[in-house]
Amino acid sequence: QVQLKQWGAGLLKPSETLSLTCAVYGGSFSNYYWSWIRQPPGKGLEWIGEINHSGSTNYKPSLKSRVTISVDTSKNQFSLKLTSVTAADTAVYFCARGLGNCTSTSCWFDPWGQGTLVTVSS
Amino acid sequence: DIQMTQSPSSLSASVGDRVTITCRASQRISSYLNWYQQKPGKAPRLLIYAVSSLQSGVPSRFSGRGSGTDFTLTISSLQPEDFATYYCQQSYSTLLTFGGGTKVEI
Repeated sequence: QVQLKQWGAGLLKPSETLSLTCAVYGGSFSNYYWSWIRQPPGKGLEWIGEINHSGSTNYKPSLKSRVTISVDTSKNQFSLKLTSVTAADTAVYFCARGLGNCTSTSCWFDPWGQGTLVTVSS
Repeated sequence: DIQMTQSPSSLSASVGDRVTITCRASQRISSYLNWYQQKPGKAPRLLIYAVSSLQSGVPSRFSGRGSGTDFTLTISSLQPEDFATYYCQQSYSTLLTFGGGTKVEI
C-alpha cells in the first residue's frame, strides 16, 4: 500500500522560501505524476503543481513564477519550493499521487500525505 | 480557469438521511469529475473518480452522476462517519481545480 510522508519547515517569515519534501513508500514511483496541493485555514483546496519521475512539471500559472517542484528518483521523493512567501501562502500543504492520465485529462488524487501546516508571519 | 461551484456550502442532516451535493463547472468538463471527503485535521480521501467510479474501499452508499457541467454526489443513507466536508475536482483542464466544499453536519 502506497504511503506518502511529508516534512518541512512550518514557520516562515515574509519573503522567505517555503521548502517541503514528500517521500513515497510502498509502491511504484515511476508510473505517476506527483502533486502538491494546499489549503488555507478554513478554506478550500488549491492545486499548486505536479511532477513525474523524469522531471516533467506542470504548475498553476498564477504561482508559476514562484514555484519549483523537483524530484529525486533515487529516494522516491519529490519536493516543493515556493519563494517570496507572504501571509497569503499560509496553508496546510499536501502532497498527493495523481492517478488516471494526468498528462492530459482524467486525473485524480490518491493517496495523500498527512499535510504540513506552513505559517507565514513576521 | 474552470470554476467549480458546489451547493449547498453546508447542510444539516440526520443519520439515515439521503443527501445530495451538487457541483457545477463553469464550462463543459465531460466526465472528468472526482469527489473527495475531508474530515477535520485530515487529508482528503478519494471517494469517486470519473463521475461515478467508486474508489476501492469506499462504501456503496456513495454514488456519483452527471455529465457536461452538472454533477452530483449522493449518500444514500447518511452514517455517523459521513459527517465531513466534501469537495469536487475537475481534471478536464490541465489546471486542476476544486470546488469550494460542502460541509455535511448534524
